[in-house]
Amino acid sequence: EADIYQTPRYLVIGTGKKITLECSQTMGHDKMYWYQQDPGMELHLIHYSYGVNSTEKGDLSSESTVSRIRTEHFPLTLESARPSHTSQYLCASSGGTEGSPLHFGNGTRLTVT
Amino acid sequence: EDQVTQSPEALRLQEGESSSLNCSYTVSGLRGLFWYRQDPGKGPEFLFTLYSAGEEKEKERLKATLTKKESFLHITAPKPEDSATYLCAVQAGGGYNKLIFGAGTRLAVHP
Repeated sequence: EADIYQTPRYLVIGTGKKITLECSQTMGHDKMYWYQQDPGMELHLIHYSYGVNSTEKGDLSSESTVSRIRTEHFPLTLESARPSHTSQYLCASSGGTEGSPLHFGNGTRLTVT
Repeated sequence: EDQVTQSPEALRLQEGESSSLNCSYTVSGLRGLFWYRQDPGKGPEFLFTLYSAGEEKEKERLKATLTKKESFLHITAPKPEDSATYLCAVQAGGGYNKLIFGAGTRLAVHP
């Protein structure tokens, strides 16, 4: 059973809107991640965090931003959505030891029209 | 450059027909190799972690093995509920559990 929650599950919005994708976990994990996944393609890391007040950009360039004010919460924000942002966004968390598996939420499927 | 390649892209099996999925990787300083299962509309679900060549892990009809260059996910006597996309990911040295994912193998098991 997933202990990491993402909302909304689906979102359809118009170009230029500001959106925030929510992600919360109840496992007390320090490390959290945002991945982007297009159909049939690899997951690509767009942001990660070691802990509170720590955020870094991942390998895939993204116009989104993240914040980590509380351990359990790692929201992702797009200031001005564009059709190229249409994708599935997956949030994950992991424990502190190297080699710990990532636990994923069920994702937010974003469509920008 | 760190890279993960999964084959085949898609696999169709009859119920009870055993087979294997392949994950080839090139990475500097492997910290772990992970297998995940992903159902449509859901996030990946963790299956196994393998840390060193020769290691094997089993769970129900699934068995994962690891060599220095590749990993196999063996599926014995699959059932329709095993239908899913199976993802392989490697963790390289870096200290923040960054995973590099393959594109996955879409498995369909028909009765």
